[in-house]
Formats: sequence, structure tokens, C-alpha cells
Amino acid sequence: QIQLQQWGAGLLKPSETLSLTCSVHGGSFSGLYWAWIRQPPGKTLEWVGEINQNGNTNYNPSLKSRVAIFLDTSKTQFSLTLRSVNATDTATYYCARLGRTYGKYYFDSWGQGTPVTVSS
Amino acid sequence: EIVMTQSPATLSVSPGERATLSCRASESISTNLVWYQQKPGQAPRVLIYGASLRASGIPDKFSGSGSGTDFTLTISSLQSEDLATYYCQQYTTWPPLYTFGPGTKVDI
Repeated sequence: QIQLQQWGAGLLKPSETLSLTCSVHGGSFSGLYWAWIRQPPGKTLEWVGEINQNGNTNYNPSLKSRVAIFLDTSKTQFSLTLRSVNATDTATYYCARLGRTYGKYYFDSWGQGTPVTVSS
Repeated sequence: EIVMTQSPATLSVSPGERATLSCRASESISTNLVWYQQKPGQAPRVLIYGASLRASGIPDKFSGSGSGTDFTLTISSLQSEDLATYYCQQYTTWPPLYTFGPGTKVDI
């Protein structure tokens, strides 16, 4: 069974760059897409973006100017960078796999989550 | 952008009762609707995809229905382990965009 393990810095100052990495264990890296999703404290989930094994990316339009997702297939890892962070970027960030069954998509595997706080 | 709403915001039920959670999309999304369960301090877990298909390993006490703009998640015979927040999520395939509802918190 596939497992996602993620890590990265949890405390940032405004204007710094957020950097997180997710490692894929126990399964093929050739899934559909590999995504980042975030959740501010006490709020709902927000899709940040995704990448597939060919390096094709899609981003949430609200974050597109600041976000980048890239992968390292040799290490079966993918990473998120978010530039110029501010307090509204404070959230728990999850990596996840997008699965597909019967033509329907859903996030079927999730990392454990990394809390990120932006504070001066 | 498609906006998802959920009702009620909080649902209090007694053990053994049935819970009915609603999710509405601001425009038709066919059956591109997913339900997740999130327990405190944990990552979400997929319950239902394609509006009515149970994900692998999900007990049949969870069922989903609906299409177009109105969807329902039904949890039969609630137990303490079902205490969680439940989110619906829609997606569009092009351009890809996934949006989540605000959630329904189920209190036992």
C-alpha cells in the first residue's frame, strides 16, 4: 500500500519561501497526478496544485504566481515551493495522490500533513 | 468558479442514529463529487467518489447519492468513531480545479 511521507520547515517569516517535500513509498510513482493541498487552522481544504510523472503541472489560479511544484523521479519525491509567504499562508500542508476509478477522480492517499506558520 | 456549500455546519446525533449530510454545487457537476472524512489531527480519508461509489475499504454504512447540483452523504448507525468533519469536493477536469465545501462537523 502506498504511503506518503512529507517534511519541511514549519516556521517562516513574511516574504520567505515555503519549501516542502513528499516522498512516495510502497508503490509506483507513475500515478495520475501528485498534489499539494492545504488547510488553514479551523478552515476547509484548498487545492494548491499538482504534477504528473512527466513534469506537467497545474496550479490553483489564486496561487499560480507564487507556487511551483517539481519532482525527482529518481527519488520518487515531489516538492512544493511557495514564494513571498504571508500570514494567510499559515496552514497544514498535505501531499496527496490523485487516483482514478471508473473515470472518476479522487485523492486516495495522503501524507501526514506539515503545519506551517508564517509569523514575524 | 464553482462554489460548494454544505449543510448543516454541525450535526449532533445519538449513537445508532442515521445522519444525513448535504452538499450543493453552484452549478452542475454531474457526478464529479467526492466525500472525505477528517478526524481531529488526521489527514482526510476518501469515503465516496463519483457521488455514490464507495472507496476501497469503506464500510457500507456510508452511502452517497445525487447528481448535478445536489448531493447527500448518509451515515447509518452512527458510532463514536464516526465523530469527524465531512467534506465534499468537486472537480473540473479542464482546466483542473478541485474545490472543497466548508464541511459538516458530526458530533456524537
